[in-house]
Amino acid sequence: AQKITQTQPGMFVQEKEAVTLDCTYDTSDQSYGLFWYKQPSSGEMIFLIYQGSYDEQNATEGRYSLNFQKARKSANLVISASQLGDSAMYFCAMRERKEGNKLVFGAGTILRVKS
Amino acid sequence: DTGVSQDPRHKITKRGQNVTFRCDPISEHNRLYWYRQTLGQGPEFLTYFQNEAQLEKSRLLSDRFSAERPKGSFSTLEIQRTEQGDSAMYLCASSPNRDSTIYEQYFGPGTRLTVT
Repeated sequence: AQKITQTQPGMFVQEKEAVTLDCTYDTSDQSYGLFWYKQPSSGEMIFLIYQGSYDEQNATEGRYSLNFQKARKSANLVISASQLGDSAMYFCAMRERKEGNKLVFGAGTILRVKS
Repeated sequence: DTGVSQDPRHKITKRGQNVTFRCDPISEHNRLYWYRQTLGQGPEFLTYFQNEAQLEKSRLLSDRFSAERPKGSFSTLEIQRTEQGDSAMYLCASSPNRDSTIYEQYFGPGTRLTVT
């Protein structure tokens, strides 16, 4: 089974509107972390936000928030007030404590912000 | 800028040649990771170092691949007898030396390898 599933290959959003990028995960580990990264066309992976499996509150970082639903094993990224510079590839990733140090990534979602 | 750096940024090589990439992590980070990313996919884990010790290796890391981190600072990734299937972006990342899921990995700009 896929560890990380991102079901939206591509998304469009109007500038200044909010958008939700979906991510579901599969793990039997009790201790894990979920991450979202942004990859612009330049190629560099930029860390956006982190959610720990024991965190009771949804993580927020500026315009980014993570809608964490543990029972459903979903960790959707919400970007508010979209900007043209948000156009990029977005990856959801997971680190499981029992699996050591590696990050496992989903296939990504391409986001295009329209003016 | 004290982020993760990688050299070269681009490499074109003929099939059968050897290539070597370098990664300089953030200076206070003891942990260093290599990933490979093919077009349209997310990065896939290759290997992990804590200081100079290579502690994890993926099955993706065939015998033609070798990684080193001799002094616990920079790391090199060598691919011998390159094949066209090796064409990919090779990403390096580093993180603080704390055993927790919380610490994000900071990625470098990557080395894009094209094997002709």
